[in-house]
Amino acid sequence: DAKTTQPTSMDCAEGRAANLPCNHSTISGNEYVYWYRQIHSQGPQYIIHGLKNNETNEMASLIITEDRKSSTLILPHATLRDTAVYYCIVRSLLYYGQNFVFGPGTRLSVLP
Amino acid sequence: GAVVSQHPSWVICKSGTSVKIECRSLDFQATTMFWYRQFPKQSLMLMATSNEGSKATYEQGVEKDKFLINHASLTLSTLTVTSAHPEDSSFYICSATDRYGRGEQFFGPGTRLTVL
Repeated sequence: DAKTTQPTSMDCAEGRAANLPCNHSTISGNEYVYWYRQIHSQGPQYIIHGLKNNETNEMASLIITEDRKSSTLILPHATLRDTAVYYCIVRSLLYYGQNFVFGPGTRLSVLP
Repeated sequence: GAVVSQHPSWVICKSGTSVKIECRSLDFQATTMFWYRQFPKQSLMLMATSNEGSKATYEQGVEKDKFLINHASLTLSTLTVTSAHPEDSSFYICSATDRYGRGEQFFGPGTRLTVL
């Protein structure tokens, strides 16, 4: 799987948009970009994933650059409950039984 | 989304005893389940991959005789920590992939193990 790099930590004001970047410059054509988050002492929670088109769901939006070498997760109106570690993971869907490899992620702190 | 449960959510045991942790997919069938371990302020580390009806595949450095994994059905996998020691104290998390889904993994809430 391609490796990803994310900033170690970020702060965001409550009510503002949180934009979390991720670099995956070695991503291959069949690899998807997944985002998960982990709130303290809980299991990771799936947020969104995409291949090359931008995606949006009730939780967030995922913007993937045209060359697919980077992406941004957008939480449009961050709340205090969005404080968590956010993981950007790249994985191929060709390998159904393959696990997700978690890096250190980005620790997002939403401030009142 | 699909739900994965774990039981117990936390357990405290004495050194030398064994502890069993259950992972269940509640509303979907999971051919493959994964077991992760997470130490404080660290990321998740994969311990083993569990396939229904076959032996688990362990990651390098994980003792298969110490961490026994059984995946007897499409909705249940168990992890038994045998002869637990204080260094086994950790947060254990399982995940499962819906065999009819899109490939995303669904994670359980985790089990906090403390060995005294």
